Amino acid sequence: DTEVTQTPKHLVMGMTNKKSLKCEQHMGHRAMYWYKQKAKKPPELMFVYSYEKLSINESVPSRFSPECPNSSLLNLHLHALQPEDSALYLCASSQGLAGGHWNEQFFGPGTRLTVL
Amino acid sequence: KNQVEQSPQSLIILEGKNCTLQCNYTVSPFSNLRWYKQDTGRGPVSLTIMTFSENTKSNGRYTATLDADTKQSSLHITASQLSDSASYICVVSAIPGGFKTIFGAGTRLFVKA
Repeated sequence: DTEVTQTPKHLVMGMTNKKSLKCEQHMGHRAMYWYKQKAKKPPELMFVYSYEKLSINESVPSRFSPECPNSSLLNLHLHALQPEDSALYLCASSQGLAGGHWNEQFFGPGTRLTVL
Repeated sequence: KNQVEQSPQSLIILEGKNCTLQCNYTVSPFSNLRWYKQDTGRGPVSLTIMTFSENTKSNGRYTATLDADTKQSSLHITASQLSDSASYICVVSAIPGGFKTIFGAGTRLFVKA
């Protein structure tokens, strides 16, 4: 299995809702990432997990809460989002965080989130 | 400051023609450079990855080059197809950590029949 899967593909939520995005990979990768991408912009890094521990939090608001239950799964819990949080949320994984080919990131198809 | 600049911003070519996309970076110290293809509303798909010692890498009709001295990379697409219409993103990682990953703004390629 050489792919990263994400569910759901699309999500529409109100500002008072609580929802979760899910990401899964079975490539044995030990680093997983969440990115946010607005239209016609490059992805922006949100969080990095390495060996199931949060390594990087790029000053993301607390209404986004990541969770890594095991080495294959990565969740992003959403609560009290704002309309400006509407974007494509991408998950990625890599073998690790070291240099060379080790951190080549493989992306999932993304979840298109709309906050009303 | 670590930066990745891509040119052109957008490009329109006829089906069957070749094209070359450029990427200049100031990321230091350098770890690797990757080219991704991203269709609208989809996740990026890796095309090539090159480290310091690799100066060319091919993947089908895609050929990437890297000049680590001038900090430039190019992505050459041969015999373009309609399905090549997408954004092409250059991504550079710095040592240490690898998670110091800098994305270029991308080149939007339109292939017309």
